[in-house]
Amino acid sequence: EAAVTQSPRNKVAVTGGKVTLSCNQTNNHNNMYWYRQDTGHGLRLIHYSYGAGSTEKGDIPDGYKASRPSQENFSLILELATPSQTSVYFCASGERLGGPYEQYFGPGTRLTVL
Amino acid sequence: GDSVTQTEGPVTVSESESLIINCTYSATSIAYPNLFWYVRYPGEGLQLLLKVITAGQKGSSRGFEATYNKETTSFHLQKASVQESDSAVYYCALGEASSFSKLVFGQGTSLSVVP
Repeated sequence: EAAVTQSPRNKVAVTGGKVTLSCNQTNNHNNMYWYRQDTGHGLRLIHYSYGAGSTEKGDIPDGYKASRPSQENFSLILELATPSQTSVYFCASGERLGGPYEQYFGPGTRLTVL
Repeated sequence: GDSVTQTEGPVTVSESESLIINCTYSATSIAYPNLFWYVRYPGEGLQLLLKVITAGQKGSSRGFEATYNKETTSFHLQKASVQESDSAVYYCALGEASSFSKLVFGQGTSLSVVP
């Protein structure tokens, strides 16, 4: 079955450090997304991509960069991590294949910045 | 802007009782909203539970159902008889039918079903 995987699943980082969260999808979808989810908030879109080589800013891009080197891989980069970036991060892939648009999510990465 | 509001959690329900999780939306920039319910079981990613793209239609899956009501801008999730395995976090989401669709999520409702 097609899947979205994320690594690492858990990460503890120090303030000011660099963090890279990785996402891989075998759905062959063009679109990929990074969200964060905090208590009391729904998932909020950080960055997204239309395909290899493209990245676009979502609703809350400040403090994050993204990289899409291939159809399958989409990374989220925190160059200078801060405690406010402690959260659960979800990656998703999506496509509209003749029907309503759907997104398929990975299991999430729990990031703690100390 | 576009937004989704759903029942504040956590919600605790006894097994075999009925459930309703309220969801209302505001779609100011989306001409033809699509509505979704996603579920996240412990340790897993979000899974699509059901979707409805046409106002007035009902979606159903795994005993859950939701009706897209354009007049009341609502998409409430209901189940007649819950089971312990339904314990999860439920997210209502709003999207649009375009080549790229950004989803706007509600805050999630944590459901615990107790024996």
